[in-house]
Amino acid sequence: AQKITQTQPGMFVQEKEAVTLDCTYDTSDPSYGLFWYKQPSSGEMIFLIYQGSYDQQNATEGRYSLNFQKARKSANLVISASQLGDSAMYFCAMREVPGFQKLVFGTGTRLLVSP
Amino acid sequence: GAGVSQSPSNKVTEKGKDVELRCDPISGHTALYWYRQSLGQGLEFLIYFQGNSAPDKSGLPSDRFSAERTGGSVSTLTIQRTQQEDSAVYLCASSQDGSNYNEQFFGPGTRLTVL
Repeated sequence: AQKITQTQPGMFVQEKEAVTLDCTYDTSDPSYGLFWYKQPSSGEMIFLIYQGSYDQQNATEGRYSLNFQKARKSANLVISASQLGDSAMYFCAMREVPGFQKLVFGTGTRLLVSP
Repeated sequence: GAGVSQSPSNKVTEKGKDVELRCDPISGHTALYWYRQSLGQGLEFLIYFQGNSAPDKSGLPSDRFSAERTGGSVSTLTIQRTQQEDSAVYLCASSQDGSNYNEQFFGPGTRLTVL
């Protein structure tokens, strides 16, 4: 079963606007972590933000925030004030705490920021 | 630089040949992971090391794939008798330990092309 679903293969946004990238997940474990990574055309995976399942508040890191809705099993990434350098692939990933440490990734969303 | 390094950055090989991919994690990181990213796909977990042992090898696609880690540091992923479907970018990541907050730092990857 797909554990991480990213339904937007591509998104477009104008510079300085905000954009939301969707991510839903599926797990029966009460303890898990959710991650967002950015992959520019250079190929390197860059960690953006983390949300733990027991965290009471939504995570924020600079222009990135995570809209965590536990009951809906969604963890959408919000990028405020988009910049041209935000154009990249964005991957949502989950780590289930019991057991092993691997990340399970979604298929990604390609974001294009236009001037 | 203190990041994860991988070598070679690119590898072109002929079908049936063996290849070795190397990963040098961040110094002091006890956990190391290998992932594979095929064209247009998300990241697929291959194997996880904690120290020199591999408690999770569940992602290795076949017995042609093996990996080892020595001295709790450098890891080598070996693919024997390469096939065209092995063509992908192989990404290595490391993290400080197996604690709940488990940010994984990724290397630049090795692009493998099997002709």
